[in-house]
Amino acid sequence: RKEVEQDPGPFNVPEGATVAFNCTYSNSASQSFFWYRQDCRKEPKLLMSVYSSGNEDGRFTAQLNRASQYISLLIRDSKLSDSATYLCVVNIGNYGQNFVFGPGTRLSVLP
Amino acid sequence: DVKVTQSSRYLVKRTGEKVFLECVQDMDHENMFWYRQDPGLGLRLIYFSYDVKMKEKGDIPEGYSVSREKKERFSLILESASTNQTSMYLCASSSILATGGGTEAFFGQGTRLTVV
Repeated sequence: RKEVEQDPGPFNVPEGATVAFNCTYSNSASQSFFWYRQDCRKEPKLLMSVYSSGNEDGRFTAQLNRASQYISLLIRDSKLSDSATYLCVVNIGNYGQNFVFGPGTRLSVLP
Repeated sequence: DVKVTQSSRYLVKRTGEKVFLECVQDMDHENMFWYRQDPGLGLRLIYFSYDVKMKEKGDIPEGYSVSREKKERFSLILESASTNQTSMYLCASSSILATGGGTEAFFGQGTRLTVV
């Protein structure tokens, strides 16, 4: 079983749609959680960190359920510019040295 | 803003050449990482370093070595480049949190290496 699993995708949605990404992780020692976005042929960039209380940044909402070892990302009112691959990332251990990346879910927002 | 800078965006090297990829970060981060990313395989860790002169093997260290002589600089070395090392190489850095765990990883812009 992979350590971090994500929806296989791709997701093709119309502009303005709401889209939800799911991620599960297997290591209960995971300490930090993140969503990154990666545009084609570019480096991954942090979209948002994910906290147990949930957090929101504009149109983006992230949730963490430690008991279920589940992370989600919700994008509301999707824009063409949201088209990218979204990576779920967990960090395991006490010194922030062990990042485990999910395979990514590709999103295409269509006009 | 945190900046992680890789020395080259694109490189073309010949089989058997020794290749150096350089990475510099300006935020005094303890941790630095080298990944490669290939279609369908995601990001795979080659090596990481948690301090000057310290290094740990990642998932795919074969054919690579690293050097960290200064805190801000982490170099990846391909001892004898081969065509199966054609890939996108990504450097990253992160810091340790006093409360445990770490910050997010900050990535360089990537080096697309082609070995012919």
